[in-house]
Amino acid sequence: DVVLTQSPLSLPVTLGQPASISCRSSQSLVYTDGYTYLTWFQQRPGQSPRRLIYKVSKRDSGAPDRFSGSGSGTDFTLKISRVEAEDVGVYYCAQGAVWPYTFGQGTKLEIK
Amino acid sequence: EVQLVESGGGLVQPGGSLRLSCAASGFTFSRYWMSWVRQVPGKGLEWLANIHQNASEKYYVASVEGRFTISRDNSKNSLSLQMNSLRREDTAVYYCVRDPPKFDFWGQGILVTVSS
Repeated sequence: DVVLTQSPLSLPVTLGQPASISCRSSQSLVYTDGYTYLTWFQQRPGQSPRRLIYKVSKRDSGAPDRFSGSGSGTDFTLKISRVEAEDVGVYYCAQGAVWPYTFGQGTKLEIK
Repeated sequence: EVQLVESGGGLVQPGGSLRLSCAASGFTFSRYWMSWVRQVPGKGLEWLANIHQNASEKYYVASVEGRFTISRDNSKNSLSLQMNSLRREDTAVYYCVRDPPKFDFWGQGILVTVSS
């Protein structure tokens, strides 16, 4: 199975400061259609996961523009330009290029 | 508005069975692949199964293959997960998810507890 390794697993951030989460894959996530199916989710306490970014860098319409995704092949990054209080939660990367689909371990973002 | 509402969870003994349902609304259900994903409380996410728009293809993760069956009824906009031979480690919140591998919409989740 494809292993997605996130770092850090815990991310204390001061309000208004940037934050970055890495997701590294054990193999390429480029699918046969040429797209890279790497997705980022936010899970706030007590809520379901909510998609923020898909196909590496495409931001969902409801996701604030302070969230951005980048990367290629096996190395991906989620960046938050200025952390706000509502960003507290756990962030997961996930791959949909190779069955079975798999998730990273999650990164818990908290406010310092 | 896209809505996915799971039901059918609860407490079941080890070795028992349970059937989860997901009622979909706000979109043309028959046009989408659908999936089930679970999350052990306080832990990470695990993809369980996918089903094609017309149920012609189904895929399972190894940990549930042969015990769980995904199905759908497009006439009722409904997705199901039949879970047999349940184990304590199947205790989790189960989510209905639209359109793998894009995973764009998730239900609120339903708790399944396997315990004697």
